[in-house]
Amino acid sequence: EVQVLESGGGLVQPGGSLRLSCAASGFSFNSYGMSWVRQAPGKGLEWVSAISESGGSTYYADSVKGRFTISRDNSKNTLYLLMSSLRADDTAAYYCAKPTRPYGDYWYFDLWGRGTLVTVSS
Amino acid sequence: EIVLTQSPATLSLSPGERATLSCRASQSVSRYLVWYQQKPGQAPRLLIYDASNRATGIPARFSGSGSGTDFTLTISSLEPEDFAVYYCQHRSSWPLTFGGGTKVEIK
Repeated sequence: EVQVLESGGGLVQPGGSLRLSCAASGFSFNSYGMSWVRQAPGKGLEWVSAISESGGSTYYADSVKGRFTISRDNSKNTLYLLMSSLRADDTAAYYCAKPTRPYGDYWYFDLWGRGTLVTVSS
Repeated sequence: EIVLTQSPATLSLSPGERATLSCRASQSVSRYLVWYQQKPGQAPRLLIYDASNRATGIPARFSGSGSGTDFTLTISSLEPEDFAVYYCQHRSSWPLTFGGGTKVEIK
């Protein structure tokens, strides 16, 4: 079955760090760029970060640049998001998302996980 | 950053009616625009890509149009399962951005 499954969310204090993981299965993970998208409670979707299939290129929203780091381990079919200097407005469900096509800049997402909730609060 | 503005924020319609949703970009995104549907507690679902192409398994009542800065998602005749929130997103340049969403609710 083609799927992605996020994990690693939880409650963290402001200023703290957290690492999210996304385990992929059922498709050639190393052929696809991957992305993280978040959604604050009751709010809309916000793109967070993306990484190329090799990991050689990374992209970030201005709101997380310098605080979040996206990475991947193609040998483990896993995507990561290391979040540091967390703020209250980072509270959201974080989705892992796969683009519709491999190898390139076709950044539309046809496969999403169920999301993992990150709550930043003291 | 390209800002996508969706309107209206909420659309109140009855089943069987036609829904017309708008997405306007702050600068041209060519045809590099997609529409998603999201229901409560679920992840988004891809409906339309490259402005007017239906994704696999999407019913023909969903259609998209537009290019440049103005785009439209049309649902020709609303089914009960179509009441949801709809988002547009572009892939024209970094950063990717989403519109704020349009909620289609039952009147």
